[in-house]
Amino acid sequence: DADVTQTPRNRITKTGKRIMLECSQTKGHDRMYWYRQDPGLGLRLIYYSFDVKDINKGEISDGYSVSRQAQAKFSLSLESAIPNQTALYFCATSGSSNQPQHFGDGTRLSIL
Amino acid sequence: ELKVEQNPLFLSMQEGKNYTIYCNYSTTSDRLYWYRQDPGKSLESLFVLLSNGAVKQEGRLMASLDTKARLSTLHITAAVHDLSATYFCAPYGGRADGLTFGKGTHLIIQP
Repeated sequence: DADVTQTPRNRITKTGKRIMLECSQTKGHDRMYWYRQDPGLGLRLIYYSFDVKDINKGEISDGYSVSRQAQAKFSLSLESAIPNQTALYFCATSGSSNQPQHFGDGTRLSIL
Repeated sequence: ELKVEQNPLFLSMQEGKNYTIYCNYSTTSDRLYWYRQDPGKSLESLFVLLSNGAVKQEGRLMASLDTKARLSTLHITAAVHDLSATYFCAPYGGRADGLTFGKGTHLIIQP
């Protein structure tokens, strides 16, 4: 089983809909992250969390919200989806800032 | 604000050749990560560079970090087709306590 699991893997939805992307991990890491990847732009940090009570905005948090339900679970929500939120979304975890981040397989989200 | 510039962004090379990918960043960072991404796949950690002068090697890839010059390099020796992928550098830090990624170098190695 994958250490970092993202669901769903693919999602197509309409403008204005509320969407939740889920991430769970079995690595026991405290740190969890949400990124989006757009062609030619690399990865950009949306939100990150160092524990259940510590959630922080990243570079591009507008239009997104998150919930850290437990150490192992970190969800990303789009309250009212818009087409320019179409992207590949990655969840990642790490044990510390000196360790590499471990990425899930990604969620490909298309908003029509 | 931490800005990361990778060069080149696209590289097509022949098997057997050597080449270097450069990663420049704009503000002080004492550690840097290299990742590989295959088409349609997730990111895989390649190297963790935690200090000035750090050098790591794995097979045909070697990464180095010069924190004073704010420069990291990823050197490919005697390239083989299996190394075709997109490579990202990510220095630690920036506006958030996380990684700031470069735009990636799309590497194609042709027979």
